[in-house]
Amino acid sequence: NAGVTQTPKFRILKIGQSMTLQCTQDMNHNYMYWYRQDPGMGLKLIYYSVGAGITDKGEVPNGYNVSRSTTEDFPLRLELAAPSQTSVYFCASSPLPGQGTYEQYFGPGTRLTVT
Amino acid sequence: GENVEQHPSTLSVQEGDSAVIKCTYSDSASNYFPWYKQELGKRPQLIIDIRSNVGEKKDQRIAVTLNKTAKHFSLHITETQPEDSAVYFCAAGSFRNQFYFGTGTSLTVIP
Repeated sequence: NAGVTQTPKFRILKIGQSMTLQCTQDMNHNYMYWYRQDPGMGLKLIYYSVGAGITDKGEVPNGYNVSRSTTEDFPLRLELAAPSQTSVYFCASSPLPGQGTYEQYFGPGTRLTVT
Repeated sequence: GENVEQHPSTLSVQEGDSAVIKCTYSDSASNYFPWYKQELGKRPQLIIDIRSNVGEKKDQRIAVTLNKTAKHFSLHITETQPEDSAVYFCAAGSFRNQFYFGTGTSLTVIP
């Protein structure tokens, strides 16, 4: 299993540009999450999904959009990038509660700079 | 929403000593409390977790305690080793809802 994969690893965007961060998991997990981690800080939840076709806002959703058309993929869309979106973005997945573990498995992260 | 506070923000210990990191949470509906270790430039990795129906859990040199009444939980690392040096994050939440992370503790183990 590759686990959770994210692309790209690094990206520099100009203010006002848009991009999609890709996330794929091959563990057949129902739950998927997007977090951002600012320097020296903890992770803040942007959006999450409890299954294909179902998404919900997290703590800091403004400026982002998500979709979940398949169990495996959970892309994060940034529209009109702003310097405040400079961060490291982590995607994570976890199985349904009751399947033996609540553990969230994280991807390697995408380091995004907006200038 | 939930508010998770974590202390201290930095911690230095001598190799072989114990390290304790404490977190408090505000939402009594939270029922799952994981601890993550993050090395520089790497992804967070779960090291131990506890559910609200358990007061303490141990895994070799790592233990977590939970006090639901006081709404606080702690990570204990015994016999620390240089490879324990990393940033540690606590989190609180429930699986029907969101997870909230603390701001992290940078642990340095001095050989």
